[in-house]
Amino acid sequence: EAQLVESGGGVLQPGGSLRLSCAASGFTFHDYTMHWVRQLPGKGLEWVSLVNWDGSSTFYADSVKGRFTVSRDNSKNSLYLQMNSLKTDDSALYYCAKDLMARTYYYGMDVWGQGTTVTVSS
Amino acid sequence: DIQMTQSPSSLSASVGDRVTITCQASQDIAHYLNWYQQKPGKAPKLLVYDASTLQIGVPSRFSGSGSGTDFTFTINSLQPEDVATYYCQQYDHLPLTFGGGTKVEIK
Repeated sequence: EAQLVESGGGVLQPGGSLRLSCAASGFTFHDYTMHWVRQLPGKGLEWVSLVNWDGSSTFYADSVKGRFTVSRDNSKNSLYLQMNSLKTDDSALYYCAKDLMARTYYYGMDVWGQGTTVTVSS
Repeated sequence: DIQMTQSPSSLSASVGDRVTITCQASQDIAHYLNWYQQKPGKAPKLLVYDASTLQIGVPSRFSGSGSGTDFTFTINSLQPEDVATYYCQQYDHLPLTFGGGTKVEIK
């Protein structure tokens, strides 16, 4: 069974940095685009970033472009999100998610982790 | 960015009712639309992709239709376990964007 487990969330002050991790299992990780999606408390879903199956292409929402960096290590079946210059608006539950279709840049997200919470507050 | 507008934002219906949620895209997205279900305290779950294709294992009472800018998600015979918030999401262009969600409750 495909599974994703996020870690690395925490509480920090504005301007700080944090690295989220996502450990994947139960599917051929190197065949799938991976996404980060966040959800503000009590709010809807916001796509944050994606990295394609081999890590050669990355894309970001405008709200995080230049501050967040997505990466993956296919040898470790792991996905990462480096978050710098954090703002209070970045406070959210961060999910990693697997794309539905192999070897496509983006389609839909069929496997989600349980999320990791990031709180940015002074 | 493509804006996705869902309506209603919430609804209350009785068990066994037919429930319909609409999603409108700000531009033509062909059939590049997904529907997700998110139960309280849980991660979203993909129910429908390509506007009308049911994901494996999803009960047949769920269905999706539409193309272009107007889409519909239907629950035939609402069940207590369907209490959740439902989101549409387009994947025609980056950034991927979600609708604001529709909270479905039992009357």
